[in-house]
Amino acid sequence: GAGVSQTPSNKVTEKGKYVELRCDPISGHTALYWYRQSLGQGPEFLIYFQGTGAADDSGLPNDRFFAVRPEGSVSTLKIQRTERGDSAVYLCASSPIGTVNTGELFFGEGSRLTVL
Amino acid sequence: GEDVEQSLFLSVREGDSSVINCTYTDSSSTYLYWYKQEPGAGLQLLTYIFSNMDMKQDQRLTVLLNKKDKHLSLRIADTQTGDSAIYFCAEGVPDSGYALNFGKGTSLLVTP
Repeated sequence: GAGVSQTPSNKVTEKGKYVELRCDPISGHTALYWYRQSLGQGPEFLIYFQGTGAADDSGLPNDRFFAVRPEGSVSTLKIQRTERGDSAVYLCASSPIGTVNTGELFFGEGSRLTVL
Repeated sequence: GEDVEQSLFLSVREGDSSVINCTYTDSSSTYLYWYKQEPGAGLQLLTYIFSNMDMKQDQRLTVLLNKKDKHLSLRIADTQTGDSAIYFCAEGVPDSGYALNFGKGTSLLVTP
């Protein structure tokens, strides 16, 4: 597709369960970002990948959160032992080499996670 | 990062100008951004300004930057009902790989 694709668009789970959220960036984009947006808030940075490696994971709130990008394209955000406070929209963004220096990010529509 | 501050709500009449203000925090921010978020849609970059610029104009959009006061504004001329959305100010710092620091967003309502 032409844009950043995120699946699932909605995920409802129970407290304590494990969830995976997938991001398919725009083809050729080397940089990939995960953000989290809680209701009434702006997006909050979680992690940034340059290629396959996590260049900055300082935004991950705790060790229940983990993200991978094994082949430098698709990324998966993994949340273990989910808590109600994890409920939010998880946004993925990517950027090509040419705009990494300007920080122009292309966002997906997000995955809405609800933890009951 | 520290807070990027924005007013939360703005209402204007169709055809009027809208001005959305933002105060950012990091004096080393290289780029400052305005993103737009419509219901059910992803964040969309509207415009950005490099920190050594004072003003940038792009069609109906004018961005003003006061680096001394760390103040950024977005002016939308001839505001239309289709401009109703949430507008986010964000700052980017090169050392962080351009992990943007967003404000909470300003909800713009344009009434006929």
